[in-house]
Amino acid sequence: KAGVTQTPRYLIKTRGQQVTLSCSPISGHRSVSWYQQTPGQGLQFLFEYFSETQRNKGNFPGRFSGRQFSNSRSEMNVSTLELGDSALYLCASSLWGGLETQYFGPGTRLLVL
Amino acid sequence: AQTVTQSQPEMSVQEAETVTLSCTYDTSENNYYLFWYKQPPSRQMILVIRQEAYKQQNATENRFSVNFQKAAKSFSLKISDSQLGDTAMYFCAFMKSSSNTGKLIFGQGTTLQVKP
Repeated sequence: KAGVTQTPRYLIKTRGQQVTLSCSPISGHRSVSWYQQTPGQGLQFLFEYFSETQRNKGNFPGRFSGRQFSNSRSEMNVSTLELGDSALYLCASSLWGGLETQYFGPGTRLLVL
Repeated sequence: AQTVTQSQPEMSVQEAETVTLSCTYDTSENNYYLFWYKQPPSRQMILVIRQEAYKQQNATENRFSVNFQKAAKSFSLKISDSQLGDTAMYFCAFMKSSSNTGKLIFGQGTTLQVKP
């Protein structure tokens, strides 16, 4: 099976812009979780989607949003970018999002100038 | 709230030697999973090993094994016969059963360097 894929791999944006990141889960996986990784805050949970519904959300401002499509692919959007949004954004997929292993994609590195 | 603590920001080990990475966690849950993930310089997060809390037997995967002490809320990773390819950042992570919503809580990570 193909692994989790994320596009694009690298992005450079300027403050105030918005960005959309995409994640395609492993075939058959219906849960997609998103994480932000920064040197200062480490790995933090953003949100999780299952069957096109957001089931859980981390402590991030409303500028961070996401959605999931019927084929389980997920997108996350960050509006009005701030310098502090520069990070590695990782998505992970699992079968049903419960007590099971999550498999990670290679990440999207976002740089906000 | 659940927390995961990795008290060793950096460690090094000679090739072929054994190294142990520490992790402690805090939870009031009784059923949960614990994970060790490896993140090499490529930044790809790779699962190393998983431990189900209801299992008393410590998990092993080839050269990797854990020492799971549930009462002490401790979950250390032992890497035997260290190889250069083991050089990476290692994250301990916790997932509780009651969440059912795909949330991993990570420690701050331990950077491991394997020296030739």
